[in-house]
Amino acid sequence: NFMLTQPHSVSGSPGKTVTISCTRSSGSIASNYVHWYQQRPDSAPTIVIYESQQRPSGVPDRFSGSIDSSSNSASLTISGLKTEDEADYYCQSYDISNGVFGGGTKLTVL
Amino acid sequence: QVQLVESGGGVVQPGGSLRLSCAASGFTFSDYGVHWVRQAPGRGLEWVAFIWYDGSNKYYADPVKGRFTISRDNSKNTIYLQMNSLRAEDTAVYYCARDSSIQLPVWYFHYWGRGTLVTVSS
Repeated sequence: NFMLTQPHSVSGSPGKTVTISCTRSSGSIASNYVHWYQQRPDSAPTIVIYESQQRPSGVPDRFSGSIDSSSNSASLTISGLKTEDEADYYCQSYDISNGVFGGGTKLTVL
Repeated sequence: QVQLVESGGGVVQPGGSLRLSCAASGFTFSDYGVHWVRQAPGRGLEWVAFIWYDGSNKYYADPVKGRFTISRDNSKNTIYLQMNSLRAEDTAVYYCARDSSIQLPVWYFHYWGRGTLVTVSS
């Protein structure tokens, strides 16, 4: 099994752009899709990016996902930060028979 | 609309058992696999188990293998998680989440329930 490592926390000011990384410990990041979830306090997670780059309907285009094979990592980028974006964000992938979540990143909008 | 409602959580002593249920509605239940994901207090998300749309395949995370059993009753639109030999470290909110693809799993989740809290304590 592999692990997904995220920074514990990131922060940004309203209107700015932040990027959250998700590094895969072994195996290629490109071998399985990476998905991203937002979780606000006392709420269930909601998906904001699926299949590494796809945005569900209803998720603003300020949210985008990418893959970087050179660093074996995926990234979630949020542009035009809003106070409502303050939440925990989790990356997630899988192998043949296991789901894997990153440890989560707390986004603070200052 | 798609709804997933978990139930069955509560307080149980170490070594005890509990069965969680996840009642589904708003979609053709027998077409989709369902996962359980848990979150310990103040901690991150942890994938727990998955059952295929027809129950033919079941997968478990290493920490629960041999203690937890996932099952489904397609006539009742319900998923179950039987949890035995519970430990303090199993304390968490347990969410059920529907796989996002018909039949063949894609291992991501557009739809989640609101969760049910399991507390393992003496």
